[in-house]
Amino acid sequence: DGGITQSPKYLFRKEGQNVTLSCEQNLNHDAMYWYRQDPGQGLRLIYYSQIVNDFQKGDIAEGYSVSREKKESFPLTVTSAQKNPTAFYLCASRDSFTYEQYFGPGTRLTVT
Amino acid sequence: QKEVEQNSGPLSVPEGAIASLNCTYSDRGSQSFFWYRQYSGKSPELIMSIYSNGDKEDGRFTAQLNKASQYVSLLIRDSQPSDSATYLCAATNAGGTSYGKLTFGQGTILTVHP
Repeated sequence: DGGITQSPKYLFRKEGQNVTLSCEQNLNHDAMYWYRQDPGQGLRLIYYSQIVNDFQKGDIAEGYSVSREKKESFPLTVTSAQKNPTAFYLCASRDSFTYEQYFGPGTRLTVT
Repeated sequence: QKEVEQNSGPLSVPEGAIASLNCTYSDRGSQSFFWYRQYSGKSPELIMSIYSNGDKEDGRFTAQLNKASQYVSLLIRDSQPSDSATYLCAATNAGGTSYGKLTFGQGTILTVHP
């Protein structure tokens, strides 16, 4: 069953702690993306990766870091430097031929 | 700043009616266009892709693209209460340095009432 998984579904952290969100895909897609969605707002691009061992900053990369050591995996770390980390985080991967992006179920992060 | 704008909504239609969702984009280099449906608290789900001018139909959904007017629309025929969701329009300029990045509109909230 092909798809994208994200874990955990809900995450609670205290201010000042780094936290890593998991994203795994078995669609054999090269490109993967991380977005953030705030209530009532659209999706904003945090980081993206076109291929293993390569990634680029998106529109709101400050306070976030990523790695891409395997094709299937693209974890996102929310660092203590991120001023407003509470949000819904969405991972996606892209079909190279159609440019269609498919999303995982998301991780809802709450930092207090 | 490349933008995608959607009709502000919220849009309310009676069950069985046609819901019309509209989107304009500013980047003339945009080549691929997508409609996503997002239920409250869930992630976006791809429902339509369109790449060339004209209409594309899939079941009750029809996407329309007019590149000259930089306009994309989604029609939902025989609207059902289960269609109530936020609809996101997205565009990509597949070439150049965009690397297939999608630019999303803010979304239009659709409510279908019985």
